[in-house]
Amino acid sequence: QKEVEQDPGPLSVPEGAIVSLNCTYSNSAFQYFMWYRQYSRKGPELLMYTYSSGNKEDGRFTAQVDKSSKYISLFIRDSQPSDSATYLCAMSASGNTGKLIFGQGTTLQVKP
Amino acid sequence: DVKVTQSSRYLVKRTGEKVFLECVQDMDHENMFWYRQDPGLGLRLIYFSYDVKMKEKGDIPEGYSVSREKKERFSLILESASTNQTSMYLCASSLSVGRETQYFGPGTRLLVL
Repeated sequence: QKEVEQDPGPLSVPEGAIVSLNCTYSNSAFQYFMWYRQYSRKGPELLMYTYSSGNKEDGRFTAQVDKSSKYISLFIRDSQPSDSATYLCAMSASGNTGKLIFGQGTTLQVKP
Repeated sequence: DVKVTQSSRYLVKRTGEKVFLECVQDMDHENMFWYRQDPGLGLRLIYFSYDVKMKEKGDIPEGYSVSREKKERFSLILESASTNQTSMYLCASSLSVGRETQYFGPGTRLLVL
C-alpha cells in the first residue's frame, strides 16, 4: 500500500462547477500538507499549504485536513478552464529532512 | 519570489552518454531535490541534499549521481544514459528542515535514444 493515495482521474467538469480533489494517507506522523498544481509540460507550483488539521482558504481554493480520518481535500469553487491541470497532494512528517511524499496526481479538465 | 532554474528544457542524448542536468536556486535554500516524473508513476525522488557537499539517496538512485559544491547549485549526473532514463526531471528546493514547502523548477525533458 502506498503511503499516499490519490485518484489519478481524469476528472472532467463543466465551467463553474465545484471541484473536490482528495488524498488519503497512512502515516499518522504527517503534519505538513500541500497541494501543487502542474500545468502540462511545466513544473509543479505550490497552491496551498496547511499545517496539521483544519481548513485554509485562498480565493476560490479551500484546503481541508482531517487527521483523524487521514484524509485531505482541495475544493475549487467556480472552476475555470484555466484550472485545467494536474493537482498533486504532498505531505511530510516533522523533522524528516524536508522530504515530501507525493500523491500520483489527479488530472482535472474544466470544459467551457 | 523563489526562483529555481534548470539548465535545459529539452535534451536529446544517445545511449551511453554522460549527461549533466544543472539546477540553481536563488533563495539561499538549504535543501535541494531531484525527481523524475513518469506517467502513471508520479514523482519519484532520486537524490536530495540538505547542505553543501551532503547528499542522500532517494527512492530510485540507481544510475544517477549528484554533486553539490555550492549552496545554490545541485547537479544530477547520468553516468551512462540508458533509454529507461527518458523522463521529465524536476529539481526542487526548500528553505530548511521544518520548512517543508518545496519550490520546483520548470523541468527538463530528457530523451535518450
